[in-house]
Amino acid sequence: AQSVTQLDSQVPVFEEAPVELRCNYSSSVSVYLFWYVQYPNQGLQLLLKYLSGSTLVKGINGFEAEFNKSQTSFHLRKPSVHISDTAEYFCAVRTLGGAQKLVFGQGTRLTINP
Amino acid sequence: ETGVTQSPTHLIKTRGQQVTLRCSSQSGHNTVSWYQQALGQGPQFIFQYYREEENGRGNFPPRFSGLQFPNYSSELNVNALELDDSALYLCASSQKESSETQYFGPGTRLLVL
Repeated sequence: AQSVTQLDSQVPVFEEAPVELRCNYSSSVSVYLFWYVQYPNQGLQLLLKYLSGSTLVKGINGFEAEFNKSQTSFHLRKPSVHISDTAEYFCAVRTLGGAQKLVFGQGTRLTINP
Repeated sequence: ETGVTQSPTHLIKTRGQQVTLRCSSQSGHNTVSWYQQALGQGPQFIFQYYREEENGRGNFPPRFSGLQFPNYSSELNVNALELDDSALYLCASSQKESSETQYFGPGTRLLVL
């Protein structure tokens, strides 16, 4: 079975500051990794994904994430945040093949202060 | 290209009742997955439908059931509602053979009183 741990439930940062949202996963088999964002009262929007290849992946809205297999991590970063980045962020994994079942972390609430 | 749509947006039911939630998948997608997101939690996988058949199920009791239609739209049915069923129900669609990405709808918020 797979599991995902998001190490911070809340992250407050000032506007234009850098941010890192941490995600660690556990799996005995290879996985795909995803970050989704959820704005208030909305569904989930895909930010970025790692399937294979380069371990540094770039997504929408200036976000990027780095896959580290040895540390089983997939941390999300942005060099300069904006007020509009205030949202809930979810890290998720799924195994290769079979049902496309996503296993999500508990989420990290990112709050941007002016 | 239309995205994933869900109906209704909000719903209030009482304990013991039954509810049906609906999802229209994104154009070209043949797989639909349903997730339950309790307040303050990450989404949890309920089940997935591929070509009108259940293709995987999470740890949910049989009173959670589903259907997928020939046009790949889907329904989630929940019988004998319990207070803990209050949650945001999310539908996600994907193209199983060519994409690893699931695209989510806006969700249906269910309140059970």
